[in-house]
Amino acid sequence: AQKITQTQPGMFVQEKEAVTLDCTYDTSDQSYGLFWYKQPSSGEMIFLIYQGSYDEQNATEGRYSLNFQKARKSANLVISASQLGDSAMYFCAMREGRDDKIIFGKGTRLHILP
Amino acid sequence: EAQVTQNPRYLITVTGKKLTVTCSQNMNHEYMSWYRQDPGLGLRQIYYSMNVEVTDKGDVPEGYKVSRKEKRNFPLILESPSPNQTSLYFCASSLGYLVRADEQFFGPGTRLTVL
Repeated sequence: AQKITQTQPGMFVQEKEAVTLDCTYDTSDQSYGLFWYKQPSSGEMIFLIYQGSYDEQNATEGRYSLNFQKARKSANLVISASQLGDSAMYFCAMREGRDDKIIFGKGTRLHILP
Repeated sequence: EAQVTQNPRYLITVTGKKLTVTCSQNMNHEYMSWYRQDPGLGLRQIYYSMNVEVTDKGDVPEGYKVSRKEKRNFPLILESPSPNQTSLYFCASSLGYLVRADEQFFGPGTRLTVL
């Protein structure tokens, strides 16, 4: 079974609209961390946001927020007021406390339309 | 400047010819990791290291070796490369925290082609 599932292979969104990228995870650990990374067409990996399993509040970083629903094991990334520069591949990832492995999802390719 | 460097950036080689991809970080990070990225599969962790002389297998370790003799360096070794190891490889490092935000810093990637 996949530990990180990103169900949207690709998305098209109009500029200035809000975007939600889905991520569900599977772990039996109590202690884990969830991450989102952006990979533009140039190829570099850019860290966006982090949510710890014990964090009570949803993480926010500028236009990025993480909608963390622990009971549902979901960690959706919300991008407010999307911009053309947000067009990229987005990866959700998890690090579990039991073994410190990091598991990435297969990614969602986001296209922002002018 | 804080960074993770990888060399070479591009490599074309032939089946069976041993190669090493170097990775170095200047941030005194404890945690280092190697990933491969293939279309449609995302990033998959090959090996990771929590500290000097401590390495562990990730999800796809077959055909790869690593070592962590110094904190800053984490080379990836392919003893006998095969065409199915053609991929984009990333090295990454982080402080090593779990329950605190622990951003991974990624190298620029190494595109490897095995003929």
